[in-house]
Amino acid sequence: GEDVEQSLFLSVREGDSSVINCTYTDSSSTYLYWYKQEPGAGLQLLTYIFSNMDMKQDQRLTVLLNKKDKHLSLRIADTQTGDSAIYFCAETDDKVIFGPGTSLSVIP
Amino acid sequence: EAGVAQSPRYKIIEKRQSVAFWCNPISGHATLYWYQQILGQGPKLLIQFQNNGVVDDSQLPKDRFSAERLKGVDSTLKIQPAKLEDSAVYLCASSAGQVIHEQYFGPGTRLTVT
Repeated sequence: GEDVEQSLFLSVREGDSSVINCTYTDSSSTYLYWYKQEPGAGLQLLTYIFSNMDMKQDQRLTVLLNKKDKHLSLRIADTQTGDSAIYFCAETDDKVIFGPGTSLSVIP
Repeated sequence: EAGVAQSPRYKIIEKRQSVAFWCNPISGHATLYWYQQILGQGPKLLIQFQNNGVVDDSQLPKDRFSAERLKGVDSTLKIQPAKLEDSAVYLCASSAGQVIHEQYFGPGTRLTVT
């Protein structure tokens, strides 16, 4: 069945770049997503990429997609303490399947 | 524009009791979703409504969970009777159409079953 995997924890220093990785199984996914969840809050869509794209950049965020390896990554440039949150990768065909989330801690 | 509203924000019940959660989607949004997020996991879709009709309830444990959206606006999700493994955050989301990346999420209801 469909499955999405992520490493569970990442710790970076403020000002460094963060790279969060994700692997998925459904090769027919049309879109792939990155969501952010802050404590006590719902999910916020950060960015998404069409499956026929390799890269998408949006301000400090860069998404890279390797469709052959079914690997998705999110790079956050100049990471700030406000970026501390849980980041979810998700794939979708007819419904969205979320990964377990990566908890990003930013050390001042 | 007001966001997706959910209540209560927190609920503690004993196993075998019943509980209901309420969701008010963004005005005009036809599609409404209920997700279950167990601690340490990503959200899992329980049910999706298009107006007041069910689009997908394949992952809803129908022996104990029920959901309705009678007038195509507000929705309630009920668990009866609750089990310990139902402890989770229940997230409601809405979208104007059925495009996944146009979903807006509410803050969730945290349920603890003791």
